Amino acid sequence: ETGVTQSPTHLIKTRGQQVTLRCSSQSGHNTVSWYQQALGQGPQFIFQYYREEENGRGNFPPRFSGLQFPNYSSELNVNALELDDSALYLCASSLGGLAVRTDTQYFGPGTRLTVL
Amino acid sequence: AQSVTQLGSHVSVSEGALVLLRCNYSSSVPPYLFWYVQYPNQGLQLLLKYTTGATLVKGINGFEAEFKKSETSFHLTKPPAHMSDAAEYFCAVRSGGSNYKLTFGKGTLLTVNP
Repeated sequence: ETGVTQSPTHLIKTRGQQVTLRCSSQSGHNTVSWYQQALGQGPQFIFQYYREEENGRGNFPPRFSGLQFPNYSSELNVNALELDDSALYLCASSLGGLAVRTDTQYFGPGTRLTVL
Repeated sequence: AQSVTQLGSHVSVSEGALVLLRCNYSSSVPPYLFWYVQYPNQGLQLLLKYTTGATLVKGINGFEAEFKKSETSFHLTKPPAHMSDAAEYFCAVRSGGSNYKLTFGKGTLLTVNP
């Protein structure tokens, strides 16, 4: 059984550019959540995808968008990058579904984004 | 709305001593509670979780946490500390039912002195 994987590991962009981060969920998981972890802070929820549909969103602007594919892998897209977008972006996968009462999120290693 | 407060951004213990990391939560419904550990330049690893049932939860690597509803706390303990326990620890809350997201505390950095 493979765990959650993310690519790339590190990324450097300049202000105004666009970036796409990728995540492959753990085998058997149909739900992917994305979090932003700024330096010295806890992760902040961006949004979640369940069976290719957005299933909730945190307090992030629309320039943060996502996709989930039929194989349950996911992308996080950020447009018009700002300096404050510099952070570790974490992807987590879970079994999902409202019937799963004890759903646990399993995290990938993250993508470190630096915006100059 | 749910929130998590971790008391102490930095805790330092001697090797062999008891580790105690504090977490208090706020939730309008019965919570699910989690502790994650993060080693440098890595993602989050689940240590343990509380959903329902027994309030003393045992996790990996000898860690334990006790859910105390009256105190809205979920403190993490480990006796004894090893050098390999040095890392950042995050407490998180997820409200039951259809509330899907994890709300994290700001983290506690644990250092273990020889």
